[in-house]
Amino acid sequence: DTGVSQNPRHKITKRGQNVTFRCDPISEHNRLYWYRQTLGQGPEFLTYFQNEAQLEKSRLLSDRFSAERPKGSFSTLEIQRTEQGDSAMYLCASSLVTGQGRQPQHFGDGTRLSIL
Amino acid sequence: AQKVTQAQTEISVVEKEDVTLDCVYETRDTTYYLFWYKQPPSGELVFLIRRNSFDEQNEISGRYSWNFQKSTSSFNFTITASQVVDSAVYFCALTNTGGFKTIFGAGTRLFVKA
Repeated sequence: DTGVSQNPRHKITKRGQNVTFRCDPISEHNRLYWYRQTLGQGPEFLTYFQNEAQLEKSRLLSDRFSAERPKGSFSTLEIQRTEQGDSAMYLCASSLVTGQGRQPQHFGDGTRLSIL
Repeated sequence: AQKVTQAQTEISVVEKEDVTLDCVYETRDTTYYLFWYKQPPSGELVFLIRRNSFDEQNEISGRYSWNFQKSTSSFNFTITASQVVDSAVYFCALTNTGGFKTIFGAGTRLFVKA
């Protein structure tokens, strides 16, 4: 079990630039989630995938945010035309959904985004 | 609507003291799951425990114990004989019946002093 891997760990960019983060889930997990965590708060759900299908994206913060999981393995989260308010930690998690109930989500270390 | 409240923003204890972190939740679902996660200074979220709404048995794992009470919608977490390595932010979380959206509380920051 290599865990959930996120890259990069830190991203510093100027306002208005586009950024893309990558998440590699635990290999046997079929669900992948994206969260955003701002300072002093708990993670906030953004979107999730079941295999390659994006089943819930209404919580994405604006149309500047988009996520893909093209082959049901790794996922990318893109933010276009970044704004100061996008500065946060972006967390990815994965889980295995079976008939045994809701398995816990395993989280990566996150990508910390800083907008200058 | 679903909500998780962790009323304690920060707790500071001296090593070897016992400490209880409170969690109160709101949901209209009859089936749901509750979790506790630990977030040490390094930043990753570490899973500690899962509890489903039909299982009200309390659980003990080493120095950790959890008290789930549906009647008061609470899922409290106790660390016995705290250690400096327990210093972290602890999050209580609730997952809906669809199992995809997890609602986190704001977290409780625990400081354990030597």
